[in-house]
Amino acid sequence: EAGVTQFPSHSVIEKGQTVTLRCDPISGHDNLYWYRRVMGKEIKFLLHFVKESKQDESGMPNNRFLAERTGGTYSTLKVQPVELEDSGVYFCASSRGQVSYNEQFFGPGTRLTVL
Amino acid sequence: GEDVEQSLFLSVREGDSSVINCTYTDSSSTYLYWYKQEPGAGLQLLTYIFSNMDMKQDQRLTVLLNKKDKHLSLRIADTQTGDSAIYFCAESPNTGNQFYFGTGTSLTVIP
Repeated sequence: EAGVTQFPSHSVIEKGQTVTLRCDPISGHDNLYWYRRVMGKEIKFLLHFVKESKQDESGMPNNRFLAERTGGTYSTLKVQPVELEDSGVYFCASSRGQVSYNEQFFGPGTRLTVL
Repeated sequence: GEDVEQSLFLSVREGDSSVINCTYTDSSSTYLYWYKQEPGAGLQLLTYIFSNMDMKQDQRLTVLLNKKDKHLSLRIADTQTGDSAIYFCAESPNTGNQFYFGTGTSLTVIP
């Protein structure tokens, strides 16, 4: 079974540009999550999809961030325009629905560097 | 929001035991987790504990939960160089599915 994959692994872009991150969850996982870790700090929740619907987007920092999950498969996270404080590692995770301990399987992350 | 705190660094000698500590604030947490991140890899679930348990043991790993003090610890017995990684504590409250993570503790095992 393939794990959660993320693309790209690393992105270096200039302030003001647009970046789109992609996450492919484990096949059959209804739940998809985005998290972000700013250097040296905790991993923070951004949002949660159940299939194609946004279940919880309370962690999205501001309206420069837009997440989509068309068809309930892969998800994209677009940041437009990027700011310096957006630098960090963006993790995606997926889980099956309705399991008691809700194990989330994480991807390797996308390291975003804004210059 | 919920706070989960960990110390940032820990160094131990190979063969010794490692103890990584975590404190959290949400008393309604249902499950608490330990994840491991090796360089260049994603987070891997090591173990979890249900909030009505005090202890869970899994081979070299022992998790202790003090619910009164909201303190979670992970003990790694006979620490090996392959255990060098960042260890994240996380909690999942009763409502919702999001996890609240700590800052991660970077464990360095000295040969």
